[in-house]
Amino acid sequence: DAGVTQSPTHLIKTRGQQVTLRCSPKSGHDTVSWYQQALGQGPQFIFQYYEEEERQRGNFPDRFSGHQFPNYSSELNVNALLLGDSALYLCASSRMIHYGYTFGSGTRLTVV
Amino acid sequence: QQQVKQSPQSLIVQKGGISIINCAYENTAFDYFPWYQQFPGKGPALLIAIRPDVSEKKEGRFTISFNKSAKQFSLHIMDSQPGDSATYFCAAADQTGANNLFFGTGTRLTVIP
Repeated sequence: DAGVTQSPTHLIKTRGQQVTLRCSPKSGHDTVSWYQQALGQGPQFIFQYYEEEERQRGNFPDRFSGHQFPNYSSELNVNALLLGDSALYLCASSRMIHYGYTFGSGTRLTVV
Repeated sequence: QQQVKQSPQSLIVQKGGISIINCAYENTAFDYFPWYQQFPGKGPALLIAIRPDVSEKKEGRFTISFNKSAKQFSLHIMDSQPGDSATYFCAAADQTGANNLFFGTGTRLTVIP
């Protein structure tokens, strides 16, 4: 049973560029959440997708956007990258109303 | 504003000893308190979780103690092993709101052989 799959594992982008990160949820899960984990910090909630709609959003600017597809997979898009966007981006999937989050291994984004 | 405060930032324990990590929260709407373990290069993995209707939950060597009146909860790792060396995060979520997690800042545990 595959867990949460994220791609790519590592990415280097230049300031001002745009980036798309991808996530495939664990089998049987229909909800995808994205978190940003800066070095030495705990993950911070970005947003959550369920039924292809953004259901909740954390304290992140509109440069961060997402999408969920009919097969429950999801993308995280970040526009106009800043140096401060360098972090580990984690995708977590779950069944709605349950808290059994399963995290992927993340995408390490470096903005130079 | 940090919704969940965690201490200590780092912890060094001898093999066989007890590791204790503490967390505190302010939002009384929180009703789910998990602990995650994270190894370098990996995502957080759920270790153990508790709801506020119980004061303690034990799974193997891992125990959560919960004090609802003090709004504090802690993780105890008994008989700590070198393989337990990792970063531990406490978290909290509100069942009536979105089930997004608020994480603490993490505790880096090192177990010395």
